[in-house]
Amino acid sequence: DTAVSQTPKYLVTQMGNDKSIKCEQNLGHDTMYWYKQDSKKFLKIMFSYNNKELIINETVPNRFSPKSPDKAHLNLHINSLELGDSAVYFCASSPQGVNTEAFFGQGTRLTVV
Amino acid sequence: AQSVAQPEDQVNVAEGNPLTVKCTYSVSGNPYLFWYVQYPNRGLQFLLKYITGDNLVKGSYGFEAEFNKSQTSFHLKKPSALVSDSALYFCAVRASNFGNEKLTFGTGTRLTIIP
Repeated sequence: DTAVSQTPKYLVTQMGNDKSIKCEQNLGHDTMYWYKQDSKKFLKIMFSYNNKELIINETVPNRFSPKSPDKAHLNLHINSLELGDSAVYFCASSPQGVNTEAFFGQGTRLTVV
Repeated sequence: AQSVAQPEDQVNVAEGNPLTVKCTYSVSGNPYLFWYVQYPNRGLQFLLKYITGDNLVKGSYGFEAEFNKSQTSFHLKKPSALVSDSALYFCAVRASNFGNEKLTFGTGTRLTIIP
């Protein structure tokens, strides 16, 4: 059983399109995250949700909109895709609390052409 | 603000030798420190964490890390490297500030074990 699963694994799309990435966790965790890993492998947090409530929103363009229909799901919708959005996007989850480790999905490689 | 520094982009170690991957941190208050490993085309896997207590923390695959408060460091170590340890390693720190929890990662260190 996959603990944190993302779909799709690969996404190739043209500039200007709108796309979504889905994430589901079956660990019963309260907190979910989206991270972006760029071509240099730098990992940067984008959003964090706790029990469906947004608690962290880093300086991400408002073309990116997360949605959490329930605490097991955190989807990422991206409008008007740009070349610079090409990256690997990771979903993660953790139990609530600062001393808990996060569990990561396998990533979605987004390529904007 | 919180931050993590991994001063080495690349570390090469001969198989069987001890390895160290360095990490220093900056955080207000008590740090909660983590090490993750990323294999090619995979997500991050948790290795170990420091919360409180013993400064030497043991984790998965024979890895351990030493917390040093005075040097604000949390270096990852292994007594005898394996070729299969070759991967990208990330140090991370978390602190809580009025309920705003954020896991901040370092820039990663690529570890290559030479047969």
